[in-house]
Amino acid sequence: SYELSQPPSVSVSPGQTASITCSGDKLGDRYACWYQQKAGQSPVLVIYEDSRRPSGIPDRFSGSNSGNTATLTISGTQAMDEADYYCQAWDSSTYVFGTGTTVTVL
Amino acid sequence: EVQLVESGGGLVQPGGSLRLSCAASGFSFTSYWMTWVRQAPGKGLEWVANIKEDGSEKDYVDSVKGRFTISRDNAKNSLYLQMNSLRAEDTAVYYCARDLHDGRYGTYYFDFWGQGTLVTVSS
Repeated sequence: SYELSQPPSVSVSPGQTASITCSGDKLGDRYACWYQQKAGQSPVLVIYEDSRRPSGIPDRFSGSNSGNTATLTISGTQAMDEADYYCQAWDSSTYVFGTGTTVTVL
Repeated sequence: EVQLVESGGGLVQPGGSLRLSCAASGFSFTSYWMTWVRQAPGKGLEWVANIKEDGSEKDYVDSVKGRFTISRDNAKNSLYLQMNSLRAEDTAVYYCARDLHDGRYGTYYFDFWGQGTLVTVSS
């Protein structure tokens, strides 16, 4: 079965850039998306189709996908960005989520 | 405004059954695939099942095949998940989500989520 791997945690200082990776076999050959989940809340889509932002998502969130790795970048990270982030792709009629990354804003 | 409101969760014994519902509003329900995703306590997200706009296609994660059934009532703008033969490992918050499923463009993602309903399987 297809698997997506993410680092368990990423720490970033306020105003700095956080990068979260998502690794999977030939991930760049399919679309990846990203969800943000704050403590006690439902997930929110922040990036779809590798790099597109839904309405209402700040432009400090950006995405890329190439080779075996998709990356979510948060530029000028704010305290409100502290959350769990999950990548997701589709493979053989199955939606696959990454293992999740906790972003801590120190 | 898109709204998805789940209900039907609760405590059930192993081997028991439960039916979850999701009431949709604020969009044309008949134009979208719909999905159930679950999250075990302290764990990550796991896709469970989805259903095509007209209910003619359904897919499930292997771990629930033969035990769970997804369905929808387009006249009532509602999505359902019938869960039978429940196991302790099915304990999770279950979310319904709108499913942007487009095989022509390879686009598959969930753009709106409900608040979730907790299912606890325990004796």
